[in-house]
Amino acid sequence: EAGVVQSPRYKIIEKKQPVAFWCNPISGHNTLYWYRQNLGQGPELLIRYENEEAVDDSQLPKDRFSAERLKGVDSTLKIQPAELGDSAVYLCASSFVNRERSRTEAFFGQGTRLTVV
Amino acid sequence: AQSVTQPDIHITVSEGASLELRCNYSYGATPYLFWYVQSPGQGLQLLLKYFSGDTLVQGIKGFEAEFKRSQSSFNLRKPSVHWSDAAEYFCAVGGVFNYGGSQGNLIFGKGTKLSVKP
Repeated sequence: EAGVVQSPRYKIIEKKQPVAFWCNPISGHNTLYWYRQNLGQGPELLIRYENEEAVDDSQLPKDRFSAERLKGVDSTLKIQPAELGDSAVYLCASSFVNRERSRTEAFFGQGTRLTVV
Repeated sequence: AQSVTQPDIHITVSEGASLELRCNYSYGATPYLFWYVQSPGQGLQLLLKYFSGDTLVQGIKGFEAEFKRSQSSFNLRKPSVHWSDAAEYFCAVGGVFNYGGSQGNLIFGKGTKLSVKP
């Protein structure tokens, strides 16, 4: 079974440029997450989707970050314009949440390491 | 406030020695607890999880963890460490999701980096 697939693995951009990350979750998983992991820190949630709906985007810096999950499968996270402080690893994860709102574990992709110079 | 504390930033153990990584949490509802491992340049791999039932849970790679509600702890243990266990370990807590809110989202600790001496 394929895991969570993210691309690209690495990205170096100049500040003020746009950048986009792509995520393909595990087949059948209705919940998708984007996390940001700063150096030496644990991951922090940016946004959570259930199917195609963003059900929690309270931690997403909406002035420069945007995300979409068309058709409730793949997802794209965009930063425009990027700032030096956005340098981090961006992790995508997926899981299945049933009607009773219980959960299974989240499976993580390998992440995209973004460096803004 | 909901939080996870991993008090040890860096631990070094000798190969073959036992290991215990500490995790304390603060969570206002029934917690679901997880331990993940992250090797350099890699994503997070689930080692084990606790949802309910037996408070001693077994995971992959010979790891186990014990949930102690009275101490709000979920410490990770391994009886004999292998050199390949060198990595960073993250404890996380979550719960039942609500719809349209942040309840249930995984909250991670800052991680403990494990080094293994030959």
